[in-house]
Amino acid sequence: AQSVAQPEDQVNVAEGNPLTVKCTYSVSGNPYLFWYVQYPNRGLQFLLKYITGDNLVKGSYGFEAEFNKSQTSFHLKKPSALVSDSALYFCAVRDGQGGLTGGGNKLTFGTGTQLKVEL
Amino acid sequence: DSGVTQTPKHLITATGQRVTLRCSPRSGDLSVYWYQQSLDQGLQFLIQYYNGEERAKGNILERFSAQQFPDLHSELNLSSLELGDSALYFCASSSTWTSGKVEQFFGPGTRLTVL
Repeated sequence: AQSVAQPEDQVNVAEGNPLTVKCTYSVSGNPYLFWYVQYPNRGLQFLLKYITGDNLVKGSYGFEAEFNKSQTSFHLKKPSALVSDSALYFCAVRDGQGGLTGGGNKLTFGTGTQLKVEL
Repeated sequence: DSGVTQTPKHLITATGQRVTLRCSPRSGDLSVYWYQQSLDQGLQFLIQYYNGEERAKGNILERFSAQQFPDLHSELNLSSLELGDSALYFCASSSTWTSGKVEQFFGPGTRLTVL
């Protein structure tokens, strides 16, 4: 069974500083990995994904994520945080064996990390 | 705006009742997914439909059922409601899930409160 761990319930960072939100995963086969952001009373917004290729993936709003197969991690990063980045961030994994003959496209989400960026 | 619409936004009902949540996917998307978000269970996958057929099932209770119609909209039916069913229910859609464009786009959610 696939699983995702986000070890930090909350991350605090000062505006302008770099931020990292951690994620580790467990899945059979090659993983499809995703980051989503949720603002209060809103749905989840897709930030970026890793399927294959370069280990550093660039996404929306200046976010990027680094895939590390040996450490089974997919940490979300941003070089310079903004107060407007404050939100709840979710890492998710899809089993790469999904598809027509596999388990569909279901995502397994982590518990979420609350990011707080302060002035 | 993701392009996924959900109605209603809020729903307040009593235990034992039945409700229907509605979702319209992004234009052209064939797959629809339902997720439940609650404080104690987090964000959990319920069920997926692809072009009208059920494709994957998660932690969906027997009291819950879903379907996808020929026009690709989907409905999630929740019956014999219990207090613990109070949660935010999300619908998501994606264009293809075999490769490439596998990311799911989420609607704004329906907040269900069972009293």
